[in-house]
Amino acid sequence: DSGVTQTPKHLITATGQRVTLRCSPRSGDLSVYWYQQSLDQGLQFLIQYYNGEERAKGNILERFSAQQFPDLHSELNLSSLELGDSALYFCASNPTGSTEAFFGQGTRLTVV
Amino acid sequence: GESVGLHLPTLSVQEGDNSIINCAYSNSASDYFIWYKQESGKGPQFIIDIRSNMDKRQGQRVTVLLNKTVKHLSLQIAATQPGDSAVYFCAEGGSSGGGADGLTFGKGTHLIIQP
Repeated sequence: DSGVTQTPKHLITATGQRVTLRCSPRSGDLSVYWYQQSLDQGLQFLIQYYNGEERAKGNILERFSAQQFPDLHSELNLSSLELGDSALYFCASNPTGSTEAFFGQGTRLTVV
Repeated sequence: GESVGLHLPTLSVQEGDNSIINCAYSNSASDYFIWYKQESGKGPQFIIDIRSNMDKRQGQRVTVLLNKTVKHLSLQIAATQPGDSAVYFCAEGGSSGGGADGLTFGKGTHLIIQP
């Protein structure tokens, strides 16, 4: 168990819909990262938050957004969903200054 | 893991043999490199990292080698066990400085341990 908790584990939704994925980082970790893992693109960095502030952006679509709350949990919002958004979405956290990121079990999103 | 598909290179080794997994990286400005292991249905798990100012680092049964001249990274696993079966990813990070960035992952190699 990495200590990073993601909910839900599985999500099935229709095209055009909006979903919210949730992540609780390891206790004490201020950074939260979101990644997308798909068959054709592999693991792609989406966005990073540090102590409530956006810190770095990767290949995140404009239809996607994220935030980190005062209790450090984070949510990834995916809207106007398309079939190609079907993927595993991982959240990770790491202690400040450490390269070791701990990944959650992921949320498997299926868009039908 | 289950989310990586048909295009992954595969390495098949006999149980007890040593495995060497290779990775080419692209960004010469990366500060550090990491190997992750992903078992089916799970998130990536940190194995070992190496800073860009090093060329070798050893852990328990694993050794990472970094060749910056040719931008090549390798992971050596000694005496492979059935539990080593997984997809292995190399990742690079730190190129933006200050530790504020996400990792850039390679495509992954599927390691299969033959009994």
